Amino acid sequence: NAGVTQTPKFQVLKTGQSMTLQCAQDMNHNSMYWYRQDPGMGLRLIYYSASEGTTDKGEVPNGYNVSRLNKREFSLRLESAAPSQTSVYFCASRLDYYNEQFFGPGTRLTVL
Amino acid sequence: DAKTTQPNSMESNEEEPVHLPCNHSTISGTDYIHWYRQLPSQGPEYVIHGLTSNVNNRMASLAIAEDRKSSTLILHRATLRDAAVYYCILDNAGGTSYGKLTFGQGTILTVHP
Repeated sequence: NAGVTQTPKFQVLKTGQSMTLQCAQDMNHNSMYWYRQDPGMGLRLIYYSASEGTTDKGEVPNGYNVSRLNKREFSLRLESAAPSQTSVYFCASRLDYYNEQFFGPGTRLTVL
Repeated sequence: DAKTTQPNSMESNEEEPVHLPCNHSTISGTDYIHWYRQLPSQGPEYVIHGLTSNVNNRMASLAIAEDRKSSTLILHRATLRDAAVYYCILDNAGGTSYGKLTFGQGTILTVHP
């Protein structure tokens, strides 16, 4: 099992550019999550998908959109990147609410 | 959401036990106590969780106070690889939380050789 994979690992964007962060899990998990982590801070939830076909906003959704493409894949899109979105982005998945979350290795995004 | 309070940082020597405290005075009856840790430049990883009883696994032990208002993560013999940020998180399984985790600042654990 690869667990939770994220692509790309690193990305540099200019202000106003768009991009999609990809996340996939091979553990047949039902729920998937996107977090961001700013330097010296804990993780903050951007969006989540409790089950295939559903998505909901988390704590900091502004400037982002998500797609739960299928049970395996959950993508995060930045339509018009801003310097405030410079951060490390983590995807996570969870079988159900009684088990642990598994996190990907992260995508380090810099917006100039 | 019920919140947790942890010390900003703690230090330990290698091969000594480490006790990481967490206060959660507003915990509800259905909140599980979860611990995750984040090694440098990595995503968080699960350590242990419990509801009422003390729990042990290969990584650590979790001691939960009888009134559940506090808990302690115990690393029995710290190694240099245990240097990380440790997060204590209350997780209300089911309900309207949908498995979301709310991360605080955590405790930065430094392990000295």
